[in-house]
Amino acid sequence: AQSVTQLDSQVPVFEEAPVELRCNYSSSVSVYLFWYVQYPNQGLQLLLKYLSGSTLVKGINGFEAEFNKSQTSFHLRKPSVHISDTAEYFCALFSSNTGKLIFGQGTTLQVKP
Amino acid sequence: DAGVIQSPRHEVTEMGQEVTLRCKPISGHNSLFWYRQTMMRGLELLIYFNNNVPIDDSGMPEDRFSAKMPNASFSTLKIQPSEPRDSAVYFCASSRYTSGSTKNIQYFGAGTRLSVL
Repeated sequence: AQSVTQLDSQVPVFEEAPVELRCNYSSSVSVYLFWYVQYPNQGLQLLLKYLSGSTLVKGINGFEAEFNKSQTSFHLRKPSVHISDTAEYFCALFSSNTGKLIFGQGTTLQVKP
Repeated sequence: DAGVIQSPRHEVTEMGQEVTLRCKPISGHNSLFWYRQTMMRGLELLIYFNNNVPIDDSGMPEDRFSAKMPNASFSTLKIQPSEPRDSAVYFCASSRYTSGSTKNIQYFGAGTRLSVL
């Protein structure tokens, strides 16, 4: 069965510090991975995606993620966060068998001044 | 493009009333998804459509929930009768689905926040 695990429910960090949000997946078939961001009282917005090719993927707002097949991970990173990055972040796996997105439980990033 | 449009943004109703949530997908997209988000259960897929046909409704909680997609540009999610435990944020998402393609990226609407008193 395919699954996504976000290892941290909350990540507090100070402004301008680096951050890593962890995501691990389980899949026996080809993987297509996504990170979505949800700002307060808004819908989910696509941050970045890994479909194939380069394992380092760059997204919007200075975020990047690295696909690591051997560790079955797709961690999200940003070298210097801003207050405006405070949001909920969701890692997701597209299941080509079912046509569905499988979401992790989400990680709340809290950026403090 | 206007993106996925949901209405209303907020709905407050009393237990037992019928609630209808609406969604207009992105033009040209042929897949539509309804999700429910709560603190306790996170994001749950309720049902999704391909080319207006329901493909998987295994996430629909019970018979009180029903969804329709009469055409490619409109879908509804109906709860009848509503109960307080249905209070949640309901999201609609759409994508351009092609079998075997990797580009099945879902785009989300802003959601409808439902409160059942």
